[in-house]
Amino acid sequence: AQRVTQPEKLLSVFKGAPVELKCNYSYSGSPELFWYVQYSRQRLQLLLRHISRESIKGFTADLNKGETSFHLKKPFAQEEDSAMYYCALVYNQGGKLIFGQGTELSVKP
Amino acid sequence: GAVVSQHPSRVICKSGTSVKIECRSLDFQATTMFWYRQFPKQSLMLMATSNEGSKATYEQGVEKDKFLINHASLTLSTLTVTSAHPEDSSFYICSASKIGSTEAFFGQGTRLTVV
Repeated sequence: AQRVTQPEKLLSVFKGAPVELKCNYSYSGSPELFWYVQYSRQRLQLLLRHISRESIKGFTADLNKGETSFHLKKPFAQEEDSAMYYCALVYNQGGKLIFGQGTELSVKP
Repeated sequence: GAVVSQHPSRVICKSGTSVKIECRSLDFQATTMFWYRQFPKQSLMLMATSNEGSKATYEQGVEKDKFLINHASLTLSTLTVTSAHPEDSSFYICSASKIGSTEAFFGQGTRLTVV
C-alpha cells in the first residue's frame, strides 16, 4: 500500500543549527515526491520536488530509493523556517497526493 | 502564477443544515481538483477527487451522499456538506493542478464549525 511516514511530530532546534526532517515512503511504482510547507495562518505551498533537484530557501532533499527516503535538510536553520512541513507522494498521474503526518519545525532564537 | 481560491474561509452552521464550499482556480484550468480534510496539527486526509464533467471519486470511508461534489467547469469545484453534524467540523482544503502537471496548488482552506 502507498504510504508516507514522517516519524517526528515536532522538531525543535536553535537558530543556526542543522535541520533534518525525515520522510519515508512506501510505493510500488516509481515515486514522485514533494515537500510542502504551511506557515502559520497561510495556505499549504510547495517547497520542493525531487525531480527538480533544486534548493529552495536553503532546503534540499534527495530521493534515496534504496532506503525509500526523502529527507529534508537545511544546514543552518532560521527562525522564519518555523512551520509545518509535509512530505507527499503523488499517487497517480492526476496529481492525487498522499501526505505524511507532518512535522512541526520550531526554530528558537 | 497559479492561484486557487476557496470560499468561504470560515463558516458556522447549525446542525442539520447544509453548507457549500467553493474552490476556484483563478488563472488556470483544472480538469481535476482534490478535496482534503485536515484536523488540527495533523495531516491532510484526501476525501475525494473532483472530475470536471463527471462523477467525483471518493476515498474509502468517505460518504458520497454526505459530501456532495460538483465540478461544473474547468475552474470551479464545490463541496457540499449535507445535514452537517458537529463531528463534521474541520478544516477543508482543496487543491488543483494544471493540466499535465502533478504540482498541486492549494486553496487557503475553509474552517467549518457546526454548532
